[in-house]
Amino acid sequence: DTEVTQTPKHLVMGMTNKKSLKCEQHMGHRAMYWYKQKAKKPPELMFVYSYEKLSINESVPSRFSPECPNSSLLNLHLHALQPEDSALYLCASSPFRDSTYEQYFGPGTRLTVT
Amino acid sequence: GENVEQHPSTLSVQEGDSAVIKCTYSDSASNYFPWYKQELGKRPQLIIDIRSNVGEKKDQRIAVTLNKTAKHFSLHITETQPEDSAVYFCAASIRAGNMLTFGGGTRLMVKP
Repeated sequence: DTEVTQTPKHLVMGMTNKKSLKCEQHMGHRAMYWYKQKAKKPPELMFVYSYEKLSINESVPSRFSPECPNSSLLNLHLHALQPEDSALYLCASSPFRDSTYEQYFGPGTRLTVT
Repeated sequence: GENVEQHPSTLSVQEGDSAVIKCTYSDSASNYFPWYKQELGKRPQLIIDIRSNVGEKKDQRIAVTLNKTAKHFSLHITETQPEDSAVYFCAASIRAGNMLTFGGGTRLMVKP
């Protein structure tokens, strides 16, 4: 398996809902990332997990809660979101060893907050 | 922190022409520079990258050059085809932390 997969592809949620985004990779990569991408903008880093530990949190509001249950799986738990949180949420993974740190992106979850 | 600027924001070329996209970065410690292609509604796709110990890298119609002294790097696409139409993002990374800082993107349109 040479891909990063994400589910769901689309998600519509109200501001009082709780939902989760899921990301999976089976390439043995030891770093995983969450990015947020607004229309016509570059991806914006949210979180980095290295060896299943949170290593970087780019001052993301607490209504976004990441979780890395194992080396292949990354979740993003969503609660009490705002309409401005509507965006494409991208997961990425990277080998993070031997000076190789290419990042490979999943297809993203398009989130709409109503 | 790192800051990456990308120019132009839009680029329109005729099929068969060359396209050049330029990026500058601010942090001299950056040592990894990937380029991503993102088609409408799709994921960013890594198309080529270069490390700071290399000045130029080529892969078929795509090449990237790096000038560490001037802190800029460029993407060159030769013999452009309509399927090259997409948004291209440059990025820079310092090894420690493995964070990518992206440029603002270039919308490339290749007219048949």
